[in-house]
Amino acid sequence: DAGVTQSPTHLIKTRGQQVTLRCSPKSGHDTVSWYQQALGQGPQFIFQYYEEEERQRGNFPDRFSGHQFPNYSSELNVNALLLGDSALYLCASSGRLLLTYNEQFFGPGTRLTVL
Amino acid sequence: AQSVTQPDIHITVSEGASLELRCNYSYGATPYLFWYVQSPGQGLQLLLKYFSGDTLVQGIKGFEAEFKRSQSSFNLRKPSVHWSDAAEYFCAVGTVTGNQFYFGTGTSLTVIP
Repeated sequence: DAGVTQSPTHLIKTRGQQVTLRCSPKSGHDTVSWYQQALGQGPQFIFQYYEEEERQRGNFPDRFSGHQFPNYSSELNVNALLLGDSALYLCASSGRLLLTYNEQFFGPGTRLTVL
Repeated sequence: AQSVTQPDIHITVSEGASLELRCNYSYGATPYLFWYVQSPGQGLQLLLKYFSGDTLVQGIKGFEAEFKRSQSSFNLRKPSVHWSDAAEYFCAVGTVTGNQFYFGTGTSLTVIP
């Protein structure tokens, strides 16, 4: 079992650009959540996808959007990047069909640096 | 509103000493509580979780935590710390529906020989 995988590992962008981060959930999981972890902070919930729809959203602007594919993998898109978007972006998966929706497994994250 | 507070930003303990990391939560219903550990540059690894039942839960790597509803606390403990335990520790509360997790700001643990 590969666990939760994320790509790329690191990314450097400039202000105003757009970025796409990718996540493949743990085998058997159908729900993907995205978190932003700024340096020295705890992860902040961005949103959650299930059945290809956004089910819940945290306090993030519309510049943050996502998508879930039929194979349960997911993308996080951030438009008009700001310096403050620099962070570690974590993907977590859980399994509603497995009734393990409260157990989230985290990927290693994508480190985004905005210059 | 849901929230998690970890009062200790940084803790230093000697190897072999006992450890207790504090966590207080605010949640309107029965909480689902978690402790995660994060090594530098890594993702989060689940140490243990509390959903219901016995208020003392055992986790991996010799960690345990006790849920105290009256104090809204879920403190993490380990009787004897190893140098490899040095990491960042996060407490989290999850909603019943599993739609959202709320994390504390973390406690950084340093272990000295």
